[in-house]
Parts: sequence; C-alpha cells; structure tokens
Amino acid sequence: GAGVSQSPSNKVTEKGKDVELRCDPISGHTALYWYRQSLGQGLEFLIYFQGNSAPDKSGLPSDRFSAERTGGSVSTLTIQRTQQEDSAVYLCASRLTGTAMREQYFGPGTRLTVT
Amino acid sequence: EDQVTQSPEALRLQEGESSSLNCSYTVSGLRGLFWYRQDPGKGPEFLFTLYSAGEEKEKERLKATLTKKESFLHITAPKPEDSATYLCAVQGLYAGGTSYGKLTFGQGTILTVHP
Repeated sequence: GAGVSQSPSNKVTEKGKDVELRCDPISGHTALYWYRQSLGQGLEFLIYFQGNSAPDKSGLPSDRFSAERTGGSVSTLTIQRTQQEDSAVYLCASRLTGTAMREQYFGPGTRLTVT
Repeated sequence: EDQVTQSPEALRLQEGESSSLNCSYTVSGLRGLFWYRQDPGKGPEFLFTLYSAGEEKEKERLKATLTKKESFLHITAPKPEDSATYLCAVQGLYAGGTSYGKLTFGQGTILTVHP
C-alpha cells in the first residue's frame, strides 16, 4: 500500500519568509508525528496528533512553528519568519493505533534550506 | 528524560565481515525500542521493534537483541547494500496524556560495507 508522502521534497526560501510543509499519512493511521533532522543532530520530536485529541506541541522550538491536522488525515507544518537555523529535513511519521504494534512509519522528508 | 546513545559513530566493514552496533538507553519505563535504517536523502525505514529484555528479532542478515540497558544490532556477513545509517529509538512510558508514542532517537551509526 501507499506509504507516508510529503511535499515538497525540497524547499528553498529566503530568511523571513513563511513556509508550509505537507504530510499525507498512511490511510487508517490515526497518530501523526513531525520530527526535524538537522545536520549532525539526531531526529528531534516536534509535534504529535492523535485522533481528535489536543496535539502535543511540547517539541516545537519556538512560537514561529505551528501545525494542524485537518479531518484526521493530512497535516501541515508551518514555519513563520524562517531563520537560517530552521534549515533541516522535516520528517513526518504515522502510526496505527489500537493494536499492539507501536512502530512509526516515516515519509521521505522535506529538505528546507533558508538562505 | 529519555536518552539514547549509539556506538560507534561510524563503522567500516569488508563484505562478509560480521559485527555489531550498540544502542545504550535510559528510559522511564520502556514501551518499545526501535531500529531503523536510513539511506541518504530518504526517510528512516522501519526494521525491528523490541519490547522486553531477552527479546530477539531477525531479518535477513540482521538480528536485534535487547537487555535492560542496551540493544545490539548484529550484522552477519554484510553486503555492500547494507551500507546505511542505522538509527535506534526508544518510546518511554505514557505520561499523563502527552508525548504518547514520541520517539527519542540516538545519533545513528553510519555503516559502510566495502566489496
């Protein structure tokens, strides 16, 4: 079946501009996660959505970052007034809940470059 | 706070030369330890989930094991196509409705297998 998809695959933006990154999870997966992978850093948790519950935003690095999930499926991560330190690969993952399996499945990522 | 340390940072092997990667962890109640493989420019690909000490999982030339403090990824007779970054992650105990399912990743081990 189709895996997690993300768009765009690459995004170059100027410092100070806003960007939107999109994630389409695996069909039927109710849990959705955003992570960030910076050069020389491990994967860093950003935000988590589970069904209709309030999202866990504890990993968002600043109030310039926000995310939403519409209809329990597609998610958008928005970064306002981008800074050079926001340059990274942004990864989305989804997980099937209500089963014993806990693994998350990742998309290919969006590589963001802030110039 | 959950922590994951992987070693070595990089490992170079000759084809057929077996070896092991280490993942040491501290977690407030382990709900799962996960191994992923990541190829350059791609998202992490799920390999294994281990839930309790003593558990082992195998897939082709890979075998993952788990103790209360660490996990090993054993690679038997590796081939050049096994070259990738191997990531270890843990999921800690559910804590009051937040960060449920959040993964904490190590920095990864870059494996290079020469023909």
